Amino acid sequence: DGGITQSPKYLFRKEGQNVTLSCEQNLNHDAMYWYRQDPGQGLRLIYYSQIVNDFQKGDIAEGYSVSREKKESFPLTVTSAQKNPTAFYLCASSIKRQYEQYFGPGTRLTVT
Amino acid sequence: RKEVEQDPGPFNVPEGATVAFNCTYSNSASQSFFWYRQDCRKEPKLLMSVYSSGNEDGRFTAQLNRASQYISLLIRDSKLSDSATYLCVVNSPGGAGSYQLTFGKGTKLSVIP
Repeated sequence: DGGITQSPKYLFRKEGQNVTLSCEQNLNHDAMYWYRQDPGQGLRLIYYSQIVNDFQKGDIAEGYSVSREKKESFPLTVTSAQKNPTAFYLCASSIKRQYEQYFGPGTRLTVT
Repeated sequence: RKEVEQDPGPFNVPEGATVAFNCTYSNSASQSFFWYRQDCRKEPKLLMSVYSSGNEDGRFTAQLNRASQYISLLIRDSKLSDSATYLCVVNSPGGAGSYQLTFGKGTKLSVIP
């Protein structure tokens, strides 16, 4: 089955700890994205990557970091510098940046 | 003016009703448009791409009005399973040949038995 996987589905962390969220796709898409969604809010772009070994900041990149060492994988690290990390994190991919995006099931991160 | 604006709803309609959602966008250079649906606590799923001539997929019809910069989604014969939040998404050119998808905050639909 082709698709996008994210793990884990739920993640709990203590304040001050870095945490890495996984995103893998086997759709052979060039572009990958990370979004954050807060209750009652729209999706906000954190980072995106159009090609391996290249990525760009989105609208709310502060406190986050990413890597794109393989086409299939685009992990997101939520660092202790992120002031309000508790949120629903969604990974997406598309053939190229201008085409429709397909989403993974998301990871709900709770930091206490 | 917000980049992509939608009426947040909720729209509460009876089964079998026809319901329409509108979405306005601010960037006149926007090139492609999509409707996604998002169920509670789930990821958004692509419902339809919106073509300039308008397009239909079963009970769903999407239309684009470039002059007025709005997109619409019409759902006929509403089913209980249509209850979800509908996201309007607009793809606009950015700098240096890049593109950016901008998501509206969504319109919530509840179909009532």
